[in-house]
Amino acid sequence: DGGITQSPKYLFRKEGQNVTLSCEQNLNHDAMYWYRQDPGQGLRLIYYSQIVNDFQKGDIAEGYSVSREKKESFPLTVTSAQKNPTAFYLCASNPGWVNGSPLHFGNGTRLTVT
Amino acid sequence: DQQVKQNSPSLSVQEGRISILNCDYTNSMFDYFLWYKKYPAEGPTFLISISSIKDKNEDGRFTVFLNKSAKHLSLHIVPSQPGDSAVYFCAAGNYGQNFVFGPGTRLSVLP
Repeated sequence: DGGITQSPKYLFRKEGQNVTLSCEQNLNHDAMYWYRQDPGQGLRLIYYSQIVNDFQKGDIAEGYSVSREKKESFPLTVTSAQKNPTAFYLCASNPGWVNGSPLHFGNGTRLTVT
Repeated sequence: DQQVKQNSPSLSVQEGRISILNCDYTNSMFDYFLWYKKYPAEGPTFLISISSIKDKNEDGRFTVFLNKSAKHLSLHIVPSQPGDSAVYFCAAGNYGQNFVFGPGTRLSVLP
């Protein structure tokens, strides 16, 4: 079955530490995305990548970094510069900027920073 | 400034009745709209979409209506079932742009 795998499901870190969230897809999609969900807010776009070795900042990129070395993988690093890192992080993919291509989401990683 | 709004944070409906979830948008360039359903601690699941060339799209119990002049869309679920209890997100986008999501509406279907 094709899909998006995010790991781990729960992650705990101390303040000041960087942490990397994994996202792997086997849907052969060109585009991948990272969103953050906070209570009472919609999904906010952190970073996205339309093609391997290229990525763009989304609406709330500060304090985050990404890489896209392989088509299947789009890891997100939450750095110590991110002021409010505790959140539910969602990775998504789709074939790209084509009309009629909804995002497919992974099951998310809940990050708690204390 | 929120480009996609879901003004009802929550909605309760009796099982078997119709659920109507509403979504408003401000950007007239949006031409493609999606509805997602999300259970706690899971990723959103795509439900149904509609493009701006249509005013209605139906898939089983789910129907989405689009009123372009009012910049409003709605999701109708008939009949509502307890398993429909979840958070529903509306999203809007257009070619070459990323989707913008609303804040979500929590639907509770009461047995």
